[in-house]
Amino acid sequence: DTEVTQTPKHLVMGMTNKKSLKCEQHMGHRAMYWYKQKAKKPPELMFVYSYEKLSINESVPSRFSPECPNSSLLNLHLHALQPEDSALYLCASSHNHLAGGLARNTQYFGPGTRLTVL
Amino acid sequence: AQKITQTQPGMFVQEKEAVTLDCTYDTSDPSYGLFWYKQPSSGEMIFLIYQGSYDQQNATEGRYSLNFQKARKSANLVISASQLGDSAMYFCAMRHNQFYFGTGTSLTVIP
Repeated sequence: DTEVTQTPKHLVMGMTNKKSLKCEQHMGHRAMYWYKQKAKKPPELMFVYSYEKLSINESVPSRFSPECPNSSLLNLHLHALQPEDSALYLCASSHNHLAGGLARNTQYFGPGTRLTVL
Repeated sequence: AQKITQTQPGMFVQEKEAVTLDCTYDTSDPSYGLFWYKQPSSGEMIFLIYQGSYDQQNATEGRYSLNFQKARKSANLVISASQLGDSAMYFCAMRHNQFYFGTGTSLTVIP
């Protein structure tokens, strides 16, 4: 089973709202990722969690706050977003985040959350 | 420095024909992995195929095969017997210390 689930599928929020995106995997993976993707562009890495600890933050604004409650779950808390934050937010997981080109480091993606900020 | 290059922004192929999507990469690390993903208009990134830098044979997965030419640093995806459902964006990616995505190729299969 290589399934990563994400909720909600679509989200519309105002600039003063607080909302959360959720991601779940049951593949026993110990690395989880948040990506932001604009239309017709490749995904941009936002955060990496490795063994439930924040490993990489790609200089993401503080209005995005990640959380990893356990090895299967990853949340992205949103607050005071801007219209330019409207995008597809993708969650992914892999066996681990170690360097090297091993097959087990394949990242498996969820279906994404399409976020619109009004 | 750009690590992954996909030079074809858009490609068209006739249904049932084969198509090759180009990908070149740049790394001096001897250990790396190359990946292809398909992204339909629904948004999900679907993993298609993996090639390790030490693999001697080209990877194949059903109708997908990866033409790996290490000396030329290329990892082209070949899709045989194209189907209408193959219409999507295709991203090449490389992993050594982190994941790098190419800019993608939009493939349209014509009936």
